Amino acid sequence: DSGVTQTPKHLITATGQRVTLRCSPRSGDLSVYWYQQSLDQGLQFLIHYYNGEERAKGNILERFSAQQFPDLHSELNLSSLELGDSALYFCASSEGDYLSYEQYFGPGTRLTVT
Amino acid sequence: DAKTTQPNSMESNEEEPVHLPCNHSTISGTDYIHWYRQLPSQGPEYVIHGLTSNVNNRMASLAIAEDRKSSTLILHRATLRDAAVYYCILRPTGANSKLTFGKGITLSVRP
Repeated sequence: DSGVTQTPKHLITATGQRVTLRCSPRSGDLSVYWYQQSLDQGLQFLIHYYNGEERAKGNILERFSAQQFPDLHSELNLSSLELGDSALYFCASSEGDYLSYEQYFGPGTRLTVT
Repeated sequence: DAKTTQPNSMESNEEEPVHLPCNHSTISGTDYIHWYRQLPSQGPEYVIHGLTSNVNNRMASLAIAEDRKSSTLILHRATLRDAAVYYCILRPTGANSKLTFGKGITLSVRP
């Protein structure tokens, strides 16, 4: 158990809908990262927040957005969903920002868009 | 970001050592070498990292070539639980700390 929690574990929704994925980092960790894992693209970095501020963006679509709240939990919002958005979404946390060596990953949320 | 090259797959026998190679010929002087693994149906898990010297921890050892253009992750006694995809990742210092995953190497362990 990494100490990172993600909810829900599974999500099934229809095209065009909007969903929110939630992540609670390990106690004391200020950084939260979101990754997407699909069969054809592998594990891809989406976005990084540190203590409530966005620090870096990766291959995140404009239809996706994220935020980190004052209690440090984070939400990833996916809207106008398409079939290709079906994937595993992982959240990871680390203690600090660029000086942190380890990222701790949650169990993931499996999103199925039908 | 500098790239890494790993074989697609490797097989090993239980309780034998396993050497997982990684080539990173374009590594820069400030790139750390990280290894993560992903067990089936789980999120990635940190294994080990190093810069220039060989490193040991409770999970594995990391041997880094003198020119840093390659490295080897060593599992001293493979168990069935070590069957996973192992990712070798270069991570620049001072940059945002995203991890750039490649395809990794799939390790199978025979009982």
